[in-house]
Amino acid sequence: EAGVAQSPRYKIIEKRQSVAFWCNPISGHATLYWYQQILGQGPKLLIQFQNNGVVDDSQLPKDRFSAERLKGVDSTLKIQPAKLEDSAVYLCASSLGTSFTPDTQYFGPGTRLTVL
Amino acid sequence: AQKVTQAQTEISVVEKEDVTLDCVYETRDTTYYLFWYKQPPSGELVFLIRRNSFDEQNEISGRYSWNFQKSTSSFNFTITASQVVDSAVYFCALSEASNYQLIWGAGTKLIIKP
Repeated sequence: EAGVAQSPRYKIIEKRQSVAFWCNPISGHATLYWYQQILGQGPKLLIQFQNNGVVDDSQLPKDRFSAERLKGVDSTLKIQPAKLEDSAVYLCASSLGTSFTPDTQYFGPGTRLTVL
Repeated sequence: AQKVTQAQTEISVVEKEDVTLDCVYETRDTTYYLFWYKQPPSGELVFLIRRNSFDEQNEISGRYSWNFQKSTSSFNFTITASQVVDSAVYFCALSEASNYQLIWGAGTKLIIKP
């Protein structure tokens, strides 16, 4: 079974530029998550989708970050404009999302963003 | 409030030694789930184990074992006969039945020297 796919793996941009990350979850997984992981820290949830609806985006900086999952499968996370403090690894995860207990989340390889 | 503490920031051992990574959690829920993930230098978070609060049996998987002690709110992870490939950052995480969001510890960096 294919895992969670993410692209690109690495991205270097200058501040104030925009950038987009793509994620394709494990087939059949209804729930998709985007995390930001700053070096030396645990992941921080940015947004959680259940199918194509947003479940939790309370920690998403909405003035510059946006995410969509239009057809309930793959998802795009965008940053516009980027700031230096956005330098981090952006992780996508997915889970079955069909149970009434917390699912196990499976992660992609991440996108390492460097903002200069 | 929910919290996960991994007090060991970094551990360094020589190959073949046993090593234990500590995880202490705080929650008011009676139903909760605990997880361990491994993050090798490549960056991908790899799922290792999930345990619910009603199952206090210890788990063994090859060289890996987990000790769940509700009395001390701990879920410790032991690697027996460590290998260089075990070098990674290990994260412990908590999810409550009332709020499925994962609460992460800060991680423990494990270095296995040949």
